[in-house]
Amino acid sequence: DAGVTQSPTHLIKTRGQQVTLRCSPKSGHDTVSWYQQALGQGPQFIFQYYEEEERQRGNFPDRFSGHQFPNYSSELNVNALLLGDSALYLCASSLGTSSSGGTDTQYFGPGTRLTVL
Amino acid sequence: AQSVAQPEDQVNVAEGNPLTVKCTYSVSGNPYLFWYVQYPNRGLQFLLKYITGDNLVKGSYGFEAEFNKSQTSFHLKKPSALVSDSALYFCASWDSSYKLIFGSGTRLLVRP
Repeated sequence: DAGVTQSPTHLIKTRGQQVTLRCSPKSGHDTVSWYQQALGQGPQFIFQYYEEEERQRGNFPDRFSGHQFPNYSSELNVNALLLGDSALYLCASSLGTSSSGGTDTQYFGPGTRLTVL
Repeated sequence: AQSVAQPEDQVNVAEGNPLTVKCTYSVSGNPYLFWYVQYPNRGLQFLLKYITGDNLVKGSYGFEAEFNKSQTSFHLKKPSALVSDSALYFCASWDSSYKLIFGSGTRLLVRP
């Protein structure tokens, strides 16, 4: 049973560029959440996708956008990269049990380390 | 504002001794609480969760956590620490809008 996978593992970009990160959820899961983890901090919630719609969003600017595909995989896009966007980006999958998100356990992928120069 | 706090940046313990990693929460409604562990350059691994029921929750790798509603705490415990338990531990809770909020993390160092 495959767990949550993310690609790429590492990425280096320059300021102003755009980046796309990818996530495949754990088998049987239909909900994908994205988090940003800056160095030395806990993960911060970016947004969550369920049934191909953004269901919840954290305090992140519109430069951060996402998409969920019919097979439940997801992408995180960040436009106009800033130095402060350098972080570990984590994807988590879970089983959506209600329109409010439910309380199911989230399982995390290994993350994508983004460095913005 | 709803929040999760981990008051200790680092916990040091000798191998074989019991360990406790502290967590307190401030959320609306009934709390749904989680502990995750993160090894270097890795994602978060789920250890255990409290939804309802017994205040003592047992999880993976011999870890357990005690929910205390009056003290709004959810401390992680293990009776006998291993060197391999050395890692970064995060406490988390769903907030009232079903976003998962994390504490700042506690680094556990188990010395041989």
